Amino acid sequence: QQQVRQSSQSLTVWEGETAILNCSYENSAFDYFPWYQQFPGEGPALLIAIRSVSDKKEDGRFTIFFNKREKNLSLHIKDSQPGDSATYFCAASASSGSWQLIFGSGTQLTVMP
Amino acid sequence: NAGVIQTPRHKVTGKGQEATLWCEPISGHSAVFWYRQTIVQGLEFLTYFRNQAPIDDSGMPKERFSAQMPNQSHSTLKIQSTQPQDSAVYLCASSSPGKNTEVFFGKGTRLTVV
Repeated sequence: QQQVRQSSQSLTVWEGETAILNCSYENSAFDYFPWYQQFPGEGPALLIAIRSVSDKKEDGRFTIFFNKREKNLSLHIKDSQPGDSATYFCAASASSGSWQLIFGSGTQLTVMP
Repeated sequence: NAGVIQTPRHKVTGKGQEATLWCEPISGHSAVFWYRQTIVQGLEFLTYFRNQAPIDDSGMPKERFSAQMPNQSHSTLKIQSTQPQDSAVYLCASSSPGKNTEVFFGKGTRLTVV
């Protein structure tokens, strides 16, 4: 059973468009949701994170929209740039349990110039 | 801040040999995590330490895999009698004290078992 699910394995957008990456989860105990960005040959790097008490978190061109009732969230990348081309992982953890992060399978984003 | 340092970056071992992977967490970070990344399975949690004590090893294969943290500045992941299915990128990560704080990953060690 996949606890964190990313619906799209890949996504292609044009430069300047808004890329929308979706994520859903199973465990109601999850209350912390970071998104990680990974380039080939590198480790994942934290991009932005949200806690379940919020429904929106914004940081520059990156915004997380969170729907606790529906158990889903999305990462919006505004004004996408070719340098944003990478794999994006949605992750989740529960304050009440182990500190381990449960990762989705990732969405490979390609931004075409 | 050099970040989480993992050595070696690449390791090739013969089937049946032992592999030891090293991790130096960010100074001051009290939690150290090990993950494994493959194309098929994605990012899988293996184990983690808090203040050098093993807290959760629920992701570790029970045989052949072991992890230690002898001091606050390094952790090791040892795989005995390596098998081709152990081929993966092994990622170490660390975070500062407190739950749900930012977890920083190293660049990983790519292990290839031939």
